[in-house]
Amino acid sequence: QKEVEQDPGPLSVPEGAIVSLNCTYSNSAFQYFMWYRQYSRKGPELLMYTYSSGNKEDGRFTAQVDKSSKYISLFIRDSQPSDSATYLCAMSAGGADGLTFGKGTHLIIQP
Amino acid sequence: DSGVTQTPKHLITATGQRVTLRCSPRSGDLSVYWYQQSLDQGLQFLIHYYNGEERAKGNILERFSAQQFPDLHSELNLSSLELGDSALYFCASSARGDFIPGELFFGEGSRLTVL
Repeated sequence: QKEVEQDPGPLSVPEGAIVSLNCTYSNSAFQYFMWYRQYSRKGPELLMYTYSSGNKEDGRFTAQVDKSSKYISLFIRDSQPSDSATYLCAMSAGGADGLTFGKGTHLIIQP
Repeated sequence: DSGVTQTPKHLITATGQRVTLRCSPRSGDLSVYWYQQSLDQGLQFLIHYYNGEERAKGNILERFSAQQFPDLHSELNLSSLELGDSALYFCASSARGDFIPGELFFGEGSRLTVL
């Protein structure tokens, strides 16, 4: 079992829909939970991060972390075609180690 | 533009060969991380250097090695290349030696194709 599991999709939804992306993880030491967006052949860019459990909202994006269930989610409201990309969850226990990523979910927003 | 520069952008080589990938971190950043992204494994952490010293090691193969130079640029050396080494290799930089979210920036990657 991988440390972080993420459904690779593709996930195709119509413009304006609410999108729900999620990851599960097994390492209880993870404290930082990130969502990255990656366009084709580009580097990942940070969308949002959360420390420990709870919710965080930034415009159309909401990140949720439930440490008791080891489950994190990203919600995108009023989805736009420009949101079409691969969304990667990533986690860290802090310290010097690199991030542990999910495999990414390929999201397609249909105009 | 993240400010992290990676060269070359694309590289095609043959099995058994050796290549070097280069990363220049953002100005002022002391940490360089290397990641490999393949279809099979996703994005995986390879190794982390901070101010010239190895700081943490991830899933890096023995055929791979890295170093960080006094000017803080880093090189990832891949030798005895196999077909399965074909992947995107990303470099990321940050100012500190420990992870701080929001302070890690990725380059555009180097795409390696092994034929």
